[in-house]
Amino acid sequence: DAGVTQSPTHLIKTRGQQVTLRCSPISGHKSVSWYQQVLGQGPQFIFQYYEKEERGRGNFPDRFSARQFPNYSSELNVNALLLGDSALYLCASSRILLGNTIYFGEGSWLTVV
Amino acid sequence: AQTVTQSQPEMSVQEAETVTLSCTYDTSESDYYLFWYKQPPSRQMILVIRQEAYKQQNATENRFSVNFQKAAKSFSLKISDSQLGDAAMYFCAYPQGGSEKLVFGKGTKLTVNP
Repeated sequence: DAGVTQSPTHLIKTRGQQVTLRCSPISGHKSVSWYQQVLGQGPQFIFQYYEKEERGRGNFPDRFSARQFPNYSSELNVNALLLGDSALYLCASSRILLGNTIYFGEGSWLTVV
Repeated sequence: AQTVTQSQPEMSVQEAETVTLSCTYDTSESDYYLFWYKQPPSRQMILVIRQEAYKQQNATENRFSVNFQKAAKSFSLKISDSQLGDAAMYFCAYPQGGSEKLVFGKGTKLTVNP
């Protein structure tokens, strides 16, 4: 089975622009989460979706939004990009809502210039 | 606030030897899970090992094992017979509040010397 897949792998955006990152979970996984990892730090939780509903949100501004589609894939949107949004964005999936192993994708590298 | 602390920013080990990475966490819950993830230069977060708090037995996965001390809230990772491919950042993680919001430590960079 394919793992968690994310696209694009790398992208460069200008301050003030908007970006959409995409994630396909492992087949059969209904929970998708998004994390931001800046250089030298551990990942920080942004969102969790389960069965298309938001189940958790981290301490991020409203410029960050996400959604989950009927096929359980997900998009993360970031508006009005700031230089500080430059980071690796990781998507993770798991089979059920609680108590299950969480698998990560390879991430999307976002550089804001 | 629930936190995860990795007190060793960097560790090194000789190939074929054993190394232990430390992790402590803070929680008021009684039933939870703990994870160790490995992040090589490719940056993909790879699950190394998982421990259920209700299990007395320490988890093992081939050369990787944990020393889980629930009362002390300690969750260390032991890597035996270290290999060059083990070189990576290692993160300890804890799902906060019974959810799947993982709280990560700051990581330990492991270097394996030939």
